[in-house]
Order: sequence, then structure tokens, then C-alpha cells
Amino acid sequence: DTEVTQTPKHLVMGMTNKKSLKCEQHMGHRAMYWYKQKAKKPPELMFVYSYEKLSINESVPSRFSPECPNSSLLNLHLHALQPEDSALYLCASSQEGQPTTSSGANVLTFGAGSRLTVL
Amino acid sequence: KNEVEQSPQNLTAQEGEFITINCSYSVGISALHWLQQHPGGGIVSLFMLSSGKKKHGRLIATINIQEKHSSLHITASHPRDSAVYICAVGNTGNQFYFGTGTSLTVIP
Repeated sequence: DTEVTQTPKHLVMGMTNKKSLKCEQHMGHRAMYWYKQKAKKPPELMFVYSYEKLSINESVPSRFSPECPNSSLLNLHLHALQPEDSALYLCASSQEGQPTTSSGANVLTFGAGSRLTVL
Repeated sequence: KNEVEQSPQNLTAQEGEFITINCSYSVGISALHWLQQHPGGGIVSLFMLSSGKKKHGRLIATINIQEKHSSLHITASHPRDSAVYICAVGNTGNQFYFGTGTSLTVIP
């Protein structure tokens, strides 16, 4: 299995709703990422989990709450979002401390994304 | 200042043309990734390379570590190649830096 699976593919929510985005990988990757991507822009890093612990939080508002229940799963809990939070949310994973190449390079695998619309 | 710069930002080509997209970076890296994103879609990894050259079908990627530069070439371009191509560099940790992407349109 060489995939990162994200659900749902599309999500429409109101500003008072609580919802969650889910991400799953079974490649044994120990680093998992949430990125936010607006139209015609590169992905912006939100959070990084390393060995199930939050290692990077790029000053993301608290209305986004990440959770890593185990090494294969990564959730992003959403609450009281704003319309400007509408974007494509991408999950990615990479190996940690186990390079796949002799140079120590880190493979980065993306999911297909969850497109979020906040009304 | 962006750690990763791509050029051109936009590119339109006729079907069958040879296409080159360039990427320069300013940070130390262990590998460079070329990624493809179709409109409204997720990101697909095309190549990861840390030296030399890789080829997959009509796609060729090269990297020059000394010059901190990489190129992505598409031979015999086809309308289905129309997408945004993103260069990203990573180190042995969890830091990845993304270029702003090159939007390619191939006209039949």
C-alpha cells in the first residue's frame, strides 16, 4: 500500500458546525503533515506530527485542532471556521529516520485532498 | 525570499512540443521532488531525486546539486499534461519547501 487516503473528498460546513478531516496511511511512515492550499498557491504547512507527537504548529488558529490517534491516522478537527478557511486540505506522510535512499532523502507522499467550503 | 524559485510561472505549449520547467533553491537539501497537480485535484509525486537524472515515460528530471538547480522536461507534450508542476525540496528532517508552481497548458 503506497497511498495516503483522505476523507471526505468534499466537505461543506457552516461556521457553527464541528467536523473532522481524516487521513490514513499504511506505509509505516512516522511523520504526517497537514497542508492548506488556496487556489493557484503552493501548499502551506499547518502541522507536522512525528512519531505521533505534534512537532510543528505553524501558528495555526485554534479553530483547527489536529489529532494523531496512532501512527497510521491523522485527523484535523474543525470548529467555528470562517469562510476564508475554505481551501483544499492536503495530508502527506514521510518516513522519519529511515531514509529510502543512500543520501538520506525523505519520500513525501500526498493524499488526494479534502476540499472544504465554509458557508 | 522564497527558498525555492520556479520558472516560468505560466507556460502554454502546442501539443508535441518539448517543455522545460526550471527550479532553483537556496537551502541545503537531501532530495528534490517534482509534483503534479491537476486543476482541483490532489498532488501526485512525479520524481524524487538527489543527483543526476531520472526518466519516467515522457518525463525527465535532472538535478545539479552544485548549482542548486533542477529541471523537469516533458517530451512530446500532450493536453493531458496540462497541470501545475511544483518543485519541492526536503532535508533529512521534516522540512519541505515548495515552489510557487508552474501552470502548464498544452493546446491540441
